[in-house]
Amino acid sequence: DSGVTQTPKHLITATGQRVTLRCSPRSGDLSVYWYQQSLDQGLQFLIQYYNGEERAKGNILERFSAQQFPDLHSELNLSSLELGDSALYFCASSVDWQRQETQYFGPGTRLLVL
Amino acid sequence: DQQVKQNSPSLSVQEGRISILNCDYTNSMFDYFLWYKKYPAEGPTFLISISSIKDKNEDGRFTVFLNKSAKHLSLHIVPSQPGDSAVYFCAAWTTGTASKLTFGTGTRLQVTL
Repeated sequence: DSGVTQTPKHLITATGQRVTLRCSPRSGDLSVYWYQQSLDQGLQFLIQYYNGEERAKGNILERFSAQQFPDLHSELNLSSLELGDSALYFCASSVDWQRQETQYFGPGTRLLVL
Repeated sequence: DQQVKQNSPSLSVQEGRISILNCDYTNSMFDYFLWYKKYPAEGPTFLISISSIKDKNEDGRFTVFLNKSAKHLSLHIVPSQPGDSAVYFCAAWTTGTASKLTFGTGTRLQVTL
């Protein structure tokens, strides 16, 4: 158990809908990262937050947004969903934004868009 | 553009033998490399890392080798055990910057009895 929790574990929805994925980092970790893993793809970095502020942005679509709240949990919002958004979404956390080698990953949320 | 590549999607090795997983990268700015291990229904877990100032790092049964001139790294597992069966991801990043971890597509290792 990495100490990072993600809810829900599974999500099935329809095209055009909007969903919210939630992540609670490990106790003491200030930085949260979101990744997307599509079929046969590596983990694609989406976005990073550190202590409530956006720190780095990767290949995140404009239809996707995220935020980190004062209690340090984070939410990833996916809107106008398309079939291609079906993927595993991982959240990771680390102590600070520079210590990327010590990212601890949650178990992921599997999203299926029908 | 895939900056970190794992060209072997799968590998099967007998228990007790050596497993060698390979990873190539194209970005010469990468100076820190990591291997993550992932079991089904779990997130990736950090396994071992190496800085570009070294060419080898060892941790128990796991050794990572880095060949900077070839932009190639490999993970050796000796001896391989059935519990090592998992997907292994190679990742790289540039330290001291706000750059992100860049992952490869993973290699599925199956250790057979």
